Amino acid sequence: AAGVIQSPRHLIKEKRETATLKCYPIPRHDTVYWYQQGPGQDPQFLISFYEKMQSDKGSIPDRFSAQQFSDYHSELNMSSLELGDSALYFCASSLRAAFFGPGTRLTVL
Amino acid sequence: SQQGEEDPQALSIQEGENATMNCSYKTSINNLQWYRQNSGRGLVHLILIRSNEREKHSGRLRVTLDTSKKSSSLLITASRAADTASYFCATAPVAAGNKLTFGGGTRVLVKP
Repeated sequence: AAGVIQSPRHLIKEKRETATLKCYPIPRHDTVYWYQQGPGQDPQFLISFYEKMQSDKGSIPDRFSAQQFSDYHSELNMSSLELGDSALYFCASSLRAAFFGPGTRLTVL
Repeated sequence: SQQGEEDPQALSIQEGENATMNCSYKTSINNLQWYRQNSGRGLVHLILIRSNEREKHSGRLRVTLDTSKKSSSLLITASRAADTASYFCATAPVAAGNKLTFGGGTRVLVKP
């Protein structure tokens, strides 16, 4: 069965650079979530979309923005990267239960 | 405190034993989901229990939900070394729209 796809799987950036993470949800799922998980931390909710409209916002810095496109894929844009942004970024999609992608490991040097 | 707190934070058992972990939450929920995560890997969905359900089984997993106590438990029976992972509960609060809130996780070590 198709799963949530995230790209890239690994990303290395310098401080103050910009990063774009992509998420392709499971077909026919109507909700997409983005989470950030720091080392040894539990996943922290960033933002979600329901039918391409932003539906909930969590602890997402102003430097980050996200959108969901007409084909339902979503992108998380991160600007002015800081060392503390180094983390695993997960995307999940759901119709009822949420299924997570493999994550993008972002390292900011 | 955050929604979806788990206890214990860590659990070490022998293969073949049962592992039980608990999750407490604060607000009314639509459903509660349990996930497994191997170190540095993705979150694997294990089971979803709706607010009107009290118990659910999936293979060696048994989940209970007590909405009056705002708590859930995950039982892994006859544990295997491959069950070694962190286990998270995540709640879908009624008032939160599309937002799953994760607890701190229970790190389970199953020794062969």
